[in-house]
Parts: sequence; C-alpha cells; structure tokens
Amino acid sequence: NAGVTQTPKFQVLKTGQSMTLQCAQDMNHNSMYWYRQDPGMGLRLIYYSASEGTTDKGEVPNGYNVSRLNKREFSLRLESAAPSQTSVYFCASSESGLAGLGGSYEQYFGPGTRLTVT
Amino acid sequence: KQEVTQIPAALSVPEGENLVLNCSFTDSAIYNLQWFRQDPGKGLTSLLLIQSSQREQTSGRLNASLDKSSGRSTLYIAASQPGDSATYLCAAPPPGRGYALNFGKGTSLLVTP
Repeated sequence: NAGVTQTPKFQVLKTGQSMTLQCAQDMNHNSMYWYRQDPGMGLRLIYYSASEGTTDKGEVPNGYNVSRLNKREFSLRLESAAPSQTSVYFCASSESGLAGLGGSYEQYFGPGTRLTVT
Repeated sequence: KQEVTQIPAALSVPEGENLVLNCSFTDSAIYNLQWFRQDPGKGLTSLLLIQSSQREQTSGRLNASLDKSSGRSTLYIAASQPGDSATYLCAAPPPGRGYALNFGKGTSLLVTP
C-alpha cells in the first residue's frame, strides 16, 4: 500500500517549457487535490477533483491544467512554465471531497515534486 | 475563505517538556480541522482529524482540541522528544464548501536534547 505517489520528485524547466506532474493513489479515494507550497505563503489549492470525471479550480489555478484520468490518477500540467511557478507541488487524496456529508474527509499527501523554472 | 493562523511561528523547547501549539480560524462553521506534521523536504503526514461534533482527539502523546465558538484549536504534545522536531500545520475547509483545505503557515518546532 503506497498511499499517494508523485512523479517526478525533482524537475528543472526553462521558461516556456511544458511538463506534466503525475499523481496516483491506491486508497480507492474519490477526491484528489493539487496544492503548491511556497515560503511565507503556506499551502494553496491549485485544482481539485471531488470525484472521477469532475475537476474545479482552487485558489491559484492560473497557468495550470488538470486531468482526472481515472479514479486513481490526477495529473497537473504546466503548458508554458514561468519562474513564478517555481514551487513544491503536493498531491493529496481523501475518501470524500465534501466534508460533513459522511465518509472520511481526512486528506493524505504525497511526497511532493520540487520544481524550479529558470 | 477560511483564514487559518498559527502562533507561534517557531518554538524551541528542551526535551521532556509538554507544549501547546495554537491554531485559530475565522469561520466557526467548520466541518472539521486537521493537524499535520511536515519534516524538512518531505510531504505532510496527517496527525489528527477533529470532526465538528468532537471537542478533542488523541493519538499517543498528541491531543488536539477544537473550540468552534472561539475559533481555536490546540495541539498538545506531551513529554516532547527530539524526534518531534518538525513543522506542524493545521488546516480547515473553507466555509460552506467543505472540499479542500485552507492551511496555516505552520509552527516550526525544535526539541533539543
């Protein structure tokens, strides 16, 4: 049982390049999330997927796209990387995306991807 | 948005001390609150999840309490150890929506031998 896995662990891009961050979970969770963590800013939500087939914007979605490929996988794409996207990216999952409606809302995080855009 | 604040930003204590980490939130209509631990260069590990109907949760030497009326949660660590050194984050979902989490900026804890 690996929990939440992310690839790659590290990446360096040049401005304008594109890449996709991969995330997979093996806990049969319905909901998945992408956050970014920046010094002094804390963790901020980029996109989330409450259930398979649905995605919605979070607090900082500009410059990103997501795909919920199936129940296990949720990818984050940077179409044209910018230095402002230098950050640590975390994927997370939970059984239920809607707290208060039953099920376990506890979120589990992957190890992160450290991205540098030069 | 749910504004989450953690005080202090950093804390250093000698081994064996009992300590309290504070978390405050702006909207008392929260569904739950979650405490995490983050080691340097690592991901987040969930420590405790408190549902809105609960007042506290315990796991080993950790005890988290929730007071919705005052907009506060505390994480109590008993008999601290050097291995407890990490950043502790609290997080709560935004009001009326429930999904995802708004995070505090964390308390960086150093336990010295």
